[in-house]
Amino acid sequence: GDSVTQMEGPVTLSEEACLTINCTYTATGYPSLFWYVQYPGEGLQLLLKATKADDKGSNKGFEATYRKETTSFHLEKGSVQVSDSAVYFCARVPSDPGSNYKLTFGKGTLLTVNP
Amino acid sequence: GAGVSQSPRYKVAKRGQDVALRCDPISGHVSLFWYQQALGQGPEFLTYFQNEAQLDKSGLPSDRFFAERPEGSVSTLKIQRTQQEDSAVYLCASSLGRTQFFGPGTRLTVL
Repeated sequence: GDSVTQMEGPVTLSEEACLTINCTYTATGYPSLFWYVQYPGEGLQLLLKATKADDKGSNKGFEATYRKETTSFHLEKGSVQVSDSAVYFCARVPSDPGSNYKLTFGKGTLLTVNP
Repeated sequence: GAGVSQSPRYKVAKRGQDVALRCDPISGHVSLFWYQQALGQGPEFLTYFQNEAQLDKSGLPSDRFFAERPEGSVSTLKIQRTQQEDSAVYLCASSLGRTQFFGPGTRLTVL
């Protein structure tokens, strides 16, 4: 069935370091792919998305490219800030016209950025 | 504009009690989803509504879980005879297409 595998955390970085969080998905059809972020004590917020191969989603300095050949959607940021500390979830939604678009999530990666 | 809201934000129940969790979706959003998030895990799908019709309830863990959306807007997730393993954050999301917008969640603790 549909699944998403993302890099296990926790990840601890210093401010201004580069970030990569790996995410791979099962290649059933052509899913839409998402990164959600969960700040401490808050709900899930959509960070970025991509709906087809080679699309690049970007927001707040974060980027992820939909790679069909490697079934990956890795999250990257060139220079992290303390305020980026949160849990990051990779997720997919089926593309079938008859599907109900339920999200399948990875387990989440906790990022801590130190000053 | 207003986002998805959920109430209560926190609920403590004694084992065996019934609980009801409410979700107010974004106005005009046809689709509504419930997810369960255990501590340290990603959210897991519970059930899906399109307007008032419950089209998928395959994720509900037992027949103690029941969800409704009678007028195609507000939804209620009810858990009967709560058990300790029901302790989790319950998330509601609404959407018009493939992008879902989440509420803050209800943290349920069963003692």
